[in-house]
Amino acid sequence: AQSVAQPEDQVNVAEGNPLTVKCTYSVSGNPYLFWYVQYPNRGLQFLLKYITGDNLVKGSYGFEAEFNKSQTSFHLKKPSALVSDSALYFCAVRDRDDAGNMLTFGGGTRLMVKP
Amino acid sequence: NAGVTQTPKFQVLKTGQSMTLQCAQDMNHNSMYWYRQDPGMGLRLIYYSASEGTTDKGEVPNGYNVSRLNKREFSLRLESAAPSQTSVYFCASSQLDQPQHFGDGTRLSIL
Repeated sequence: AQSVAQPEDQVNVAEGNPLTVKCTYSVSGNPYLFWYVQYPNRGLQFLLKYITGDNLVKGSYGFEAEFNKSQTSFHLKKPSALVSDSALYFCAVRDRDDAGNMLTFGGGTRLMVKP
Repeated sequence: NAGVTQTPKFQVLKTGQSMTLQCAQDMNHNSMYWYRQDPGMGLRLIYYSASEGTTDKGEVPNGYNVSRLNKREFSLRLESAAPSQTSVYFCASSQLDQPQHFGDGTRLSIL
């Protein structure tokens, strides 16, 4: 069984400050890890993924995430937050050996960036 | 450049009514998925179809049925709606190992 935990329901940050949205995961095999963002009344949009290789993954809109195998974490980061980054963020995991490409999502973290 | 299209966008049902949620993708993806989104619970997989002609249960399949009509279309049916099925339903598609692409959802209320 696989699972994802996003320990913070909401993260508040001032515009221009760095942001971190936390994610830890559990999977029996090797993980594929994803971050998605959801704006109001829209579906999820892909931000970035970790498949293999470099532990630091760069994605859309200046976001990046660091894969840490020993801590089973995949935290989302951005050096300088924008008000337009305010949205709901989801971390997801799948087992690399799962042929069905089934994702397990965390409960989501709402990011609020204040001017 | 439509991507994944879901219809309807909103629906209100009475308990016991049936309805079908439609999903179509124009990206030639093999795999398609149905999720429900409830506050604080993220997205939970209801059913998925790894390829045309196959369907499998996900985490929360009870009360739902699906049909993979062809490679483009994957429908979700509620045979006898219950208030616990009030949710936002998302369809997604992907090619193996690639990120899933999501529709904008169907907001379903069951009274």
